[in-house]
Amino acid sequence: DQQVKQNSPSLSVQEGRISILNCDYTNSMFDYFLWYKKYPAEGPTFLISISSIKDKNEDGRFTVFLNKSAKHLSLHIVPSQPGDSAVYFCAARGSGGSNYKLTFGKGTLLTVNP
Amino acid sequence: KAGVTQTPRYLIKTRGQQVTLSCSPISGHRSVSWYQQTPGQGLQFLFEYFSETQRNKGNFPGRFSGRQFSNSRSEMNVSTLELGDSALYLCASSPEGWDSGRRFFGSGTQLSVL
Repeated sequence: DQQVKQNSPSLSVQEGRISILNCDYTNSMFDYFLWYKKYPAEGPTFLISISSIKDKNEDGRFTVFLNKSAKHLSLHIVPSQPGDSAVYFCAARGSGGSNYKLTFGKGTLLTVNP
Repeated sequence: KAGVTQTPRYLIKTRGQQVTLSCSPISGHRSVSWYQQTPGQGLQFLFEYFSETQRNKGNFPGRFSGRQFSNSRSEMNVSTLELGDSALYLCASSPEGWDSGRRFFGSGTQLSVL
C-alpha cells in the first residue's frame, strides 16, 4: 500500500507565479515530513521539512504547509524560477524505535517556463 | 566536506548475474540507507545501517542484501539479477543522533539488467 501519495505526476507553471505541489499520507504515525528536489543524473537534495507538531514552515521562497486532520501537506514556491524545474519528492519519517525509515511519494515533475 | 560517493556510476549486467554497489558516506556520518528508484515507483527504501548493524529493512526479496563496514562505508548486493532490478540505486547518509529525516544522497548507480 502506498502510504505517501503525490497524485500529480507533473505540473507546469510560468516563471514568477506560484507553484503548489501536493502530497497526501495515510499513516498517522509519521512525525516528520520532508520535500526533496531531484535533478536528472543527480541524487535528491533536501529542500525543507516540517514536524508533525507544526502547520507551517518557511525558508525563503519555499513554504511547506501541513494539515494533519486531512493528512495533507503542500509545498509552495513563490516566485517560481526556471531553475526550480526538477522532480519533487514528498517524504515522511516514521516515529519511534527502529521505524525511522523514510517513505517517499512517486514524485512530481515541476516545469517552470520562462 | 566531500559528499556521498557511489561507485560505479553505471553498470550493465545480464539476468542471473550478481552485482555489488558501493557507497562512501560523508565523513563523520555513521548511518547509511539505500533506496531503489524506478520510473513508476519513485524511491523505495531498501535498508538502513548504523554502526555496522542493519536497523531497518524495506519490503524487498532476500536477493537484496547489504552490509556496513567499520569505517561506515556500505555495500549492497543483488544476487540472481532480474530484468525488473533495472533501476537507479541511491545511497544516503546522515549524522549520528540526528534524525529529523534529512538525508544526504549520492548521485546513484544506474543498473541496467539485460
